[in-house]
Amino acid sequence: DVKVTQSSRYLVKRTGEKVFLECVQDMDHENMFWYRQDPGLGLRLIYFSYDVKMKEKGDIPEGYSVSREKKERFSLILESASTNQTSMYLCASSLKGFRGPHNEQFFGPGTRLTVL
Amino acid sequence: SQELEQSPQSLIVQEGKNLTINCTSSKTLYGLYWYKQKYGEGLIFLMMLQKGGEEKSHEKITAKLDEKKQQSSLHITASQPSHAGIYLCGADNKAAGNKLTFGGGTRVLVKP
Repeated sequence: DVKVTQSSRYLVKRTGEKVFLECVQDMDHENMFWYRQDPGLGLRLIYFSYDVKMKEKGDIPEGYSVSREKKERFSLILESASTNQTSMYLCASSLKGFRGPHNEQFFGPGTRLTVL
Repeated sequence: SQELEQSPQSLIVQEGKNLTINCTSSKTLYGLYWYKQKYGEGLIFLMMLQKGGEEKSHEKITAKLDEKKQQSSLHITASQPSHAGIYLCGADNKAAGNKLTFGGGTRVLVKP
């Protein structure tokens, strides 16, 4: 079974702090994704990566950066946390498209971040 | 960009009753994924539909994709408390990296 783990289930930070959210997958997936989930807005893609050291902006990249130094690990960084970044953050991974017609994304359990 | 509209946004159903959730796309769907999320947790993949008219079932959950590939429905027969959660549809937009666009979700509550 694919396993996607996230470093914390709950996190409380103060405005202006630098925040690191870590995601690790154990199935050798090429693609990794970071989403945030807010009531009424659904899941929105922040950044994704389809290979080591590769990254692409999603729909809402402002205020975030990412790092993919190893294939299994994808980090989301909030350089200076703000209260409007309080949200549920979900990481996902999937195989690269050319290995099959469609590849579902496997999700981690989520990190609920509160910025005070 | 592709947009997905889910309806209803929430519903309460008596245990044992059936329910249906709809997902409508503004563009032709290349691949349509259904996920379930228990409150405060990650998403669990349910099934994926690709071909117009396709229908898939798993236990008491059936998903269909219409012939025009712009609408999908998820139907639960004889609902149980274990079916409670948030159901999300996601569309594959054919971009590199298999990005998915998600609908807003449908919150399901099953009353015992």
